[in-house]
Amino acid sequence: GAVVSQHPSWVICKSGTSVKIECRSLDFQATTMFWYRQFPKQSLMLMATSNEGSKATYEQGVEKDKFLINHASLTLSTLTVTSAHPEDSSFYICSAPSDSGDNEQFFGPGTRLTVL
Amino acid sequence: SQQGEEDPQALSIQEGENATMNCSYKTSINNLQWYRQNSGRGLVHLILIRSNEREKHSGRLRVTLDTSKKSSSLLITASRAADTASYFCATGTGGGNKLTFGTGTQLKVEL
Repeated sequence: GAVVSQHPSWVICKSGTSVKIECRSLDFQATTMFWYRQFPKQSLMLMATSNEGSKATYEQGVEKDKFLINHASLTLSTLTVTSAHPEDSSFYICSAPSDSGDNEQFFGPGTRLTVL
Repeated sequence: SQQGEEDPQALSIQEGENATMNCSYKTSINNLQWYRQNSGRGLVHLILIRSNEREKHSGRLRVTLDTSKKSSSLLITASRAADTASYFCATGTGGGNKLTFGTGTQLKVEL
C-alpha cells in the first residue's frame, strides 16, 4: 500500500511555543489529507481536512487560528500548533485517502506532542 | 456526535482463541472499514465492506455488516500474540473521503 510519513515522531516543547508537524505522501499524490487528534486510550477525532491549493476545512470546535494547516504541495501538508499549552499534548495523526473511490485511508505513524 | 460505539472496550484472550469485536454506527453509510492500531503507532487498514455486502473474509479476518441494525462485527480467528492492538471501525458517508471512527476495542492476546 501507499506510504505516508510524519515528522517529527515526537516533540517536547515549552508552553507558548509553536510546533510544526509535517505529513508527506511518499509514493503518491494527495490533494486531500486529514489531520486527527487522539488522546490516550481514546479514538481518533478528525480535526480538519487539508486541501491542496485551498483553505483547510475545520471540524466544529477546532480553532483554525490555533491549528494552522498548510497544504503546500501534492505530497506535503503541515499542521502548526500555535502557542501550545499542556492541554494540546496529544497524539496527532495524518492520513491521505487512496484513489480507489472507497475512502480507504493511509495513515502516517503519528506525532506525539508533549507540552510542558 | 456521529461517532460509532464499539464493544467490548477491552478484550483479553488466549492465543489460539477467536476474538470478536462489534461496532454500531448511527448514519447511513457507503462502506465500513476496520483498522488496527498498535500502541503509539498509526493505523493500518484491515478490511473494507461495502453497504451492499453482508460478509467479507481476508485471511484470518471475517467481517459482517447488518445495515438494518447499523452494526458490524470483526472476527479474528486463531488469534496470535501479534494481534494485540486496538481495533477501530470507521464509516464513510457520502463524498469527501471523510471517515468517522468508532470508540475502539483494545485486544490483548496472551501466550
